[in-house]
Amino acid sequence: KAGVTQTPRYLIKTRGQQVTLSCSPISGHRSVSWYQQTPGQGLQFLFEYFSETQRNKGNFPGRFSGRQFSNSRSEMNVSTLELGDSALYLCASSFQADLYEQYFGPGTRLTVT
Amino acid sequence: AQSVTQLDSQVPVFEEAPVELRCNYSSSVSVYLFWYVQYPNQGLQLLLKYLSGSTLVKGINGFEAEFNKSQTSFHLRKPSVHISDTAEYFCAVSENAGKSTFGDGTTLTVKP
Repeated sequence: KAGVTQTPRYLIKTRGQQVTLSCSPISGHRSVSWYQQTPGQGLQFLFEYFSETQRNKGNFPGRFSGRQFSNSRSEMNVSTLELGDSALYLCASSFQADLYEQYFGPGTRLTVT
Repeated sequence: AQSVTQLDSQVPVFEEAPVELRCNYSSSVSVYLFWYVQYPNQGLQLLLKYLSGSTLVKGINGFEAEFNKSQTSFHLRKPSVHISDTAEYFCAVSENAGKSTFGDGTTLTVKP
């Protein structure tokens, strides 16, 4: 079974621009979560989608948004990029939401200049 | 609110020596506990998990962890490490499905 895939793997954007990251979960997984990883803040939870509905949300500004499609693929959007948004963005999927076990993708490395 | 504290930010150890990476957590409800490993420029790989049952959990690559409810700890151990175990290790706790809280990570460096 293919693992979680994220595209693109690397991205360079300029401050003020917006960006969209994509995540394809493992086949059959319906829950998709997003995390931001930075050296200073560590791994922080952004949000989680299950069956196209956002169920959990972390403490990030409204510039960070996401959505999930009917095939469980998810996208994350960051508008008006700031230098501090430079990070590794990780996506994770779960087969059944109540199992709590998450499978992570390789991440998208976003650099904001 | 849940939180995770990894007590050591860096752990250097010689090859074939035993190692313990310490993790304490706090939560107001029952939780599920996990250890993940991250190699450079990669995502997180699940090492082991505690959901219920036996408090001694065995995972991949020879790692094991013990859940101690009274001490709210979930320490990771390996009796003999290899150079290839050099990586960053994260302890995580989950109260809600799809949302985990991670510790700051422990960098394990195995020296020859």
